Amino acid sequence: QSALTQPASVSGSPGQSITISCTGTSSDVGGYNYVSWYQQHPGKAPKLIIYDVSNRPSGVSNRFSGSKSGNTASLTISGLQAEDEADYSCSSYTTISTYVFGTGTKVTVL
Amino acid sequence: QVQLVESGGGLVKPGGSLRLSCAASGFTFSDYYMSWIRQAPGQGLEWISYISSSGTTIYYEDSVTGRITISRDNAKNSLYLQMNSLRAEDTAVYYCARTGYMWGDAFDLWGQGTMVTVSS
Repeated sequence: QSALTQPASVSGSPGQSITISCTGTSSDVGGYNYVSWYQQHPGKAPKLIIYDVSNRPSGVSNRFSGSKSGNTASLTISGLQAEDEADYSCSSYTTISTYVFGTGTKVTVL
Repeated sequence: QVQLVESGGGLVKPGGSLRLSCAASGFTFSDYYMSWIRQAPGQGLEWISYISSSGTTIYYEDSVTGRITISRDNAKNSLYLQMNSLRAEDTAVYYCARTGYMWGDAFDLWGQGTMVTVSS
């Protein structure tokens, strides 16, 4: 199973909105609404920020939102803040009952 | 509190074996699917295995199939990963992650990770 494709890096100024894409195939992203997103600060464990394409766990800021169209999922961070600078990874369940992660995106707040 | 704590990582020679453990607390461990996920230095996350709440359903990523075994002991609130025939490319931080109530669910709770280094 090949990793889902994400841009290596995305940057934005404080207050701006940025969007990170996550492209897969009909066997993963396009096959189910089981796409999730994780935020990871350096040296820390990942943290779930979006599940089932567009749902936020309790306690996660509503500045994070998710969507999906066909084989591509997207994470949007609105009102970018310094604390949002981190690595972001998508994940999808697959039609062969496994999971696959994205290649990861480093977000820089300018 | 609700947490997962991994242990068992370390330095091992190529071809060697290692058993990782993950101790769960603060939630009903036996209700949840559990997964192992790893991250090589400077690389992205890689899912490697999950096990159902009862332990009867198990899946592995292709690159580790035949070399690793996931298991759990619900009475001890513990998850395990037995790794054999280790290779340099298995060097990574290994995380255990709670995986919801069914297949497809997200990884909603992570441990701090345990480092495995495969080197001669």
